[in-house]
Amino acid sequence: EPEVTQTPSHQVTQMGQEVILRCVPISNHLYFYWYRQILGQKVEFLVSFYNNEISEKSEIFDDQFSVERPDGSNFTLKIRSTKLEDSAMYFCASSLQGARQVNTEAFFGQGTRLTVV
Amino acid sequence: DAKTTQPTSMDCAEGRAANLPCNHSTISGNEYVYWYRQIHSQGPQYIIHGLKNNETNEMASLIITEDRKSSTLILPHATLRDTAVYYCIVRYSGSARQLTFGSGTQLTVLP
Repeated sequence: EPEVTQTPSHQVTQMGQEVILRCVPISNHLYFYWYRQILGQKVEFLVSFYNNEISEKSEIFDDQFSVERPDGSNFTLKIRSTKLEDSAMYFCASSLQGARQVNTEAFFGQGTRLTVV
Repeated sequence: DAKTTQPTSMDCAEGRAANLPCNHSTISGNEYVYWYRQIHSQGPQYIIHGLKNNETNEMASLIITEDRKSSTLILPHATLRDTAVYYCIVRYSGSARQLTFGSGTQLTVLP
């Protein structure tokens, strides 16, 4: 069964450093997303991406964050100058159709646990 | 998107049906009910969605009341691996908004 894969599974970084979280969405999917979940809290939407541009972002997704699809298979989240409060699980997801269509079920990866020290 | 209310936690005996309720009394006519689950620290997993008719797939059944103000997710034969947080999400298909996760229901399947 096709799945979304994320690497690394765990990333430890020092405060102020830049990190790149990587995702390989399901191959025929067109819409890509990043969510995060701080330990013990709700899953929060960060950004959606379609046709090589951001289609929607939340208030969390500020200038510290950026996304990119550098080639035909990878989808990355870059966090510049990480802060302690960026520590969370980051989930990548993909869907065949977008939010404005009916069958928009999103398939999530297993997440990257980011720890900022 | 309409607000949803779910019980904080539920238990179910292994092999029995798990019935997870969700209240969405402010749902509008063009809003869908989605269910996802999250097994401990894993990524959320899509289960099922529906508009007004009952739906069934290989994982679960979704029963939506006639007035659409509430719904029930049914896992027909719960196993230990179904222990997870279950999220009921109402969203408008025409909205660009993505999934908004609440606190969900922690379902614990007991041996």
